[in-house]
Amino acid sequence: GQSLEQPSEVTAVEGAIVQINCTYQTSGFYGLSWYQQHDGGAPTFLSYNALDGLEETGRFSSFLSRSDSYGYLLLQELQMKDSASYFCAPIHNFNKFYFGSGTKLNVKP
Amino acid sequence: EPEVTQTPSHQVTQMGQEVILRCVPISNHLYFYWYRQILGQKVEFLVSFYNNEISEKSEIFDDQFSVERPDGSNFTLKIRSTKLEDSAMYFCASSRLGGTEAFFGQGTRLTVV
Repeated sequence: GQSLEQPSEVTAVEGAIVQINCTYQTSGFYGLSWYQQHDGGAPTFLSYNALDGLEETGRFSSFLSRSDSYGYLLLQELQMKDSASYFCAPIHNFNKFYFGSGTKLNVKP
Repeated sequence: EPEVTQTPSHQVTQMGQEVILRCVPISNHLYFYWYRQILGQKVEFLVSFYNNEISEKSEIFDDQFSVERPDGSNFTLKIRSTKLEDSAMYFCASSRLGGTEAFFGQGTRLTVV
């Protein structure tokens, strides 16, 4: 079966750095992606890791360790607009995206 | 920029009625999905569709649900006899073959009363 663990909620202040961890268990694992969802909106793609290591895209970075079935999303220089839910989504069995419960990030002034 | 479009944005229906949610995936995508999100909860996989047939479905996708690609552009989700617990946001998504990104529509909020 599939399982995912993420913290349910994280709070940080503007300008800070926050790390959202994700551990997964899934068969036929291809890679790990991250999505952002603002309240009332659709999930939007942030990043994808196929290989171990860190991928950087502007203020956001994502890390994967396949041997540990673990990844994280790192958000730097937090802004108020980063307040949203963040979902890690392993891709498995070819074109199958599985979403966890998500982490609600609250950014405070 | 190509996008996934869903109609209607909000649908209210009486319990026991049939509803059809409509989606137009991105034109060169080959995989199509329906996900459900009950308010404040996680995005739950319902079904994936490829090459005119269901590729995979979850336990939620029981006999009350069906999907169809009636023509070259639309992808529909039908719920035959709606229940109160079907109230949720339904998202359609599409991806390229072997794609690493799912593109989501803005969702249809279904309210069953």
